[in-house]
Amino acid sequence: GENVEQHPSTLSVQEGDSAVIKCTYSDSASNYFPWYKQELGKRPQLIIDIRSNVGEKKDQRIAVTLNKTAKHFSLHITETQPEDSAVYFCAASMSGGYSTLTFGKGTMLLVSP
Amino acid sequence: GAVVSQHPSWVICKSGTSVKIECRSLDFQATTMFWYRQFPKQSLMLMATSNEGSKATYEQGVEKDKFLINHASLTLSTLTVTSAHPEDSSFYICSAPQGAYEQYFGPGTRLTVT
Repeated sequence: GENVEQHPSTLSVQEGDSAVIKCTYSDSASNYFPWYKQELGKRPQLIIDIRSNVGEKKDQRIAVTLNKTAKHFSLHITETQPEDSAVYFCAASMSGGYSTLTFGKGTMLLVSP
Repeated sequence: GAVVSQHPSWVICKSGTSVKIECRSLDFQATTMFWYRQFPKQSLMLMATSNEGSKATYEQGVEKDKFLINHASLTLSTLTVTSAHPEDSSFYICSAPQGAYEQYFGPGTRLTVT
């Protein structure tokens, strides 16, 4: 089955800095890569996703890049703010919503003012 | 947008009792729903795939006789934790796909077994 590795497990940055979280996946058949933000005790919230036919996607301060050859994808957050502090999870899926998501172990991001 | 609800949001039960958690898709039909378990400071781990009209598919290592899943309708799936023990205490989250890619998560249920 699919295996998703995520690094780092914790990331501390100063407000205004950029944050980068990296994930690798094992199954070349995976074609959907969402990123979730989860605050304590709450549901994961989709913040951005990318499909295998695209190499990069951006939404305001958040961007995701995908390298299918190397089987890795990354989340980039620019101009970080304290409210960005949360746990971020990457995930991979093979054929869309009816296929199961495999999650990375998560990255706790702490943005200090 | 698609909304998924869960009930209850939290529950405390005594060891040996059973607890039922409901997952509903409020504004769309879901023939498939997923159940996850999340222990503190850990990731979401898929427990089972709930299928309307057929048996659930359980992930390796998940006891199907302990975690009973019933997909009663196109908008409701239930997870019953039978003979709960303290090690079953966790955050249980369901999700439902809509469209080809995205999954919508419920708000989760915090189960504490004393």
